[in-house]
Amino acid sequence: DAGITQSPRHKVTETGTPVTLRCHQTENHRYMYWYRQDPGHGLRLIHYSYGVKDTDKGEVSDGYSVSRSKTEDFLLTLESATSSQTSVYFCAASRAGQMNTEAFFGQGTRLTVV
Amino acid sequence: GEDVEQSLFLSVREGDSSVINCTYTDSSSTYLYWYKQEPGAGLQLLTYIFSNMDMKQDQRLTVLLNKKDKHLSLRIADTQTGDSAIYFCAESQRGAGSYQLTFGKGTKLSVIP
Repeated sequence: DAGITQSPRHKVTETGTPVTLRCHQTENHRYMYWYRQDPGHGLRLIHYSYGVKDTDKGEVSDGYSVSRSKTEDFLLTLESATSSQTSVYFCAASRAGQMNTEAFFGQGTRLTVV
Repeated sequence: GEDVEQSLFLSVREGDSSVINCTYTDSSSTYLYWYKQEPGAGLQLLTYIFSNMDMKQDQRLTVLLNKKDKHLSLRIADTQTGDSAIYFCAESQRGAGSYQLTFGKGTKLSVIP
């Protein structure tokens, strides 16, 4: 996993509550990503960051926000969790946002919204 | 974004070869990847190929790229039970601030002992 840690690994939360997932990396990668993985959809990009305080939306960004105040941490926040956000969330990081973007993945966070 | 398509399931017998296929649509993609996901784990890069190559071999893995048809395949020789996993094809696409990976839905490979 190249030094990428996600926390928590599992979480159950109620509809309407805010939830923050944390991704921490120790390799000083500039680029970081949040994906969600759902059956039948593969991995879909939620948000990504190309530097401290530099973030942009991915394919499925509605209902999510992110923050990157330090190189090593990338936070994903669900402002008001909904059942459709039940998923497995993966953080990834890459050395450079160039064409050869080898990405290293965390172990995933399984989020259940009840 | 552009679509990356893969078949969802593949079953092979131990010792046989596995071939996992992928099609992509973005002709500007310059790098194409295969990732492996074991149960309960994140994705790990298996191999990648640059678009000016037709083939790349790495031990039991052979990647074939047909750029004209936008078709990518991963062949695993002498498939073992430890190869059972989900395999994702991905292409690298340019976003606003960086290149991003777009993944297929994944092919679940089941190896029958």
